[in-house]
Amino acid sequence: DGGITQSPKYLFRKEGQNVTLSCEQNLNHDAMYWYRQDPGQGLRLIYYSQIVNDFQKGDIAEGYSVSREKKESFPLTVTSAQKNPTAFYLCASSILRVNTEAFFGQGTRLTVV
Amino acid sequence: GENVEQHPSTLSVQEGDSAVIKCTYSDSASNYFPWYKQELGKRPQLIIDIRSNVGEKKDQRIAVTLNKTAKHFSLHITETQPEDSAVYFCAASRTGTASKLTFGTGTRLQVTL
Repeated sequence: DGGITQSPKYLFRKEGQNVTLSCEQNLNHDAMYWYRQDPGQGLRLIYYSQIVNDFQKGDIAEGYSVSREKKESFPLTVTSAQKNPTAFYLCASSILRVNTEAFFGQGTRLTVV
Repeated sequence: GENVEQHPSTLSVQEGDSAVIKCTYSDSASNYFPWYKQELGKRPQLIIDIRSNVGEKKDQRIAVTLNKTAKHFSLHITETQPEDSAVYFCAASRTGTASKLTFGTGTRLQVTL
C-alpha cells in the first residue's frame, strides 16, 4: 500500500526538550517537505529536500532541523529553540516534474506542556 | 518571497449554489497554482491545478481561472454538495512543480442543506 506515513499522530513534549517527528514514504518520490499548519495561517514551509543528503530552509526554519539520509525518510526535529512549537505538522512528498501534486501525510499534532 | 492572500476565510452556501474562492499572489515569476482540499481530520489533497500559460481549467464541477496580469486566481465550485464542505487552500510556486509551494491561509466552505 503506497503512501506517506507520519508518526506519531499526537505528541506531547515538555518545554525545553527536543522531539523528532517521523516521515516515511514508499512512493519513490525524490522531494520531501515539512509544513507547519496553524489556525488561520495556512501551511508554511519549514524545510524541503529534493535529493538525499541535501535539504534547504523554507520560510520558517528557525528552531527546526532535518536530515535526509535515505530517500524514503525525512525526519523533523523540533528543538528547544523553537519558541512556539505547538502546532500541526504535515509532511509531504512529490516527484520533481511539472503538474505533479504533493502527497501529504496524515500529520502530527505536537503539544508542548 | 512569495505572498499568497486568500479570501474569504469562511464561506457558507446552500446546496446547489456556486462557491467562489479568490487568491492573489505577489511574485510575478510564479507559474504553478494548485488548489488543495482538506476535509476535517484528513490530509490535504490536490483537487485541481493550473499553469501560468493557461487561463482556465475545468474538471467536472470544479474550475480554476487565472489572471496573470492582475496576479490572481480563483476556484469555482458549481452545484455544491454537502461533501464539498472542507477547508480549501490555494498555493503558488515559481518552480512549475509542487516544490516550494506558498499556501494561502485557507477558506472554510460549509455547504448547508
